[in-house]
Amino acid sequence: KQEVTQIPAALSVPEGENLVLNCSFTDSAIYNLQWFRQDPGKGLTSLLLIQSSQREQTSGRLNASLDKSSGRSTLYIAASQPGDSATYLCAVVSRGTGFQKLVFGTGTRLLVSP
Amino acid sequence: DVKVTQSSRYLVKRTGEKVFLECVQDMDHENMFWYRQDPGLGLRLIYFSYDVKMKEKGDIPEGYSVSREKKERFSLILESASTNQTSMYLCASGTHLGWSGGNEKLFFGSGTQLSVL
Repeated sequence: KQEVTQIPAALSVPEGENLVLNCSFTDSAIYNLQWFRQDPGKGLTSLLLIQSSQREQTSGRLNASLDKSSGRSTLYIAASQPGDSATYLCAVVSRGTGFQKLVFGTGTRLLVSP
Repeated sequence: DVKVTQSSRYLVKRTGEKVFLECVQDMDHENMFWYRQDPGLGLRLIYFSYDVKMKEKGDIPEGYSVSREKKERFSLILESASTNQTSMYLCASGTHLGWSGGNEKLFFGSGTQLSVL
């Protein structure tokens, strides 16, 4: 059974710092991996999707990498801003499930202070 | 932009009541999902549907049922609400795997915070 772990559970940084969020998964046979952002009491917003054949994806100040063999993904946020404060979730779709059934980590709660 | 709309933002119900949570998507997606989110447990899949009138159990289907009579609408039903069903409920929709060349994202609604008293 696929399990997804995110470390750290919480992170507090001053504005302007570059930071890395970590995600690990136990079964490397994945179809894709997504990173989401969730603001308090709200739904999830998809940030980046990495297909199993890809190594990384970039969107603005965000860069996500994928190392399937080691079961790891990282989300790099450059020049962090207070508006980046949110919970960041990673989720994987395993091969063979047939449907877009995501398995989620429990998230990293990020606070960027001015 | 894809829009997934959940009918209620907050809901307060009594133990034993029958509760309906509604979700509508406007992108003609085949797949729709219901998750619940609890502190420390993350998001867990309750049920999903891959076509009209088709449904599959997720990881925690006990105490829930679903209905998909139209492609755009997916309802979650709590037959007899209990206090342990107090949670944030999130609906999502997406296309079949492979239909977008591996780039199939899942799109979420804003969530319904349900309190069962």
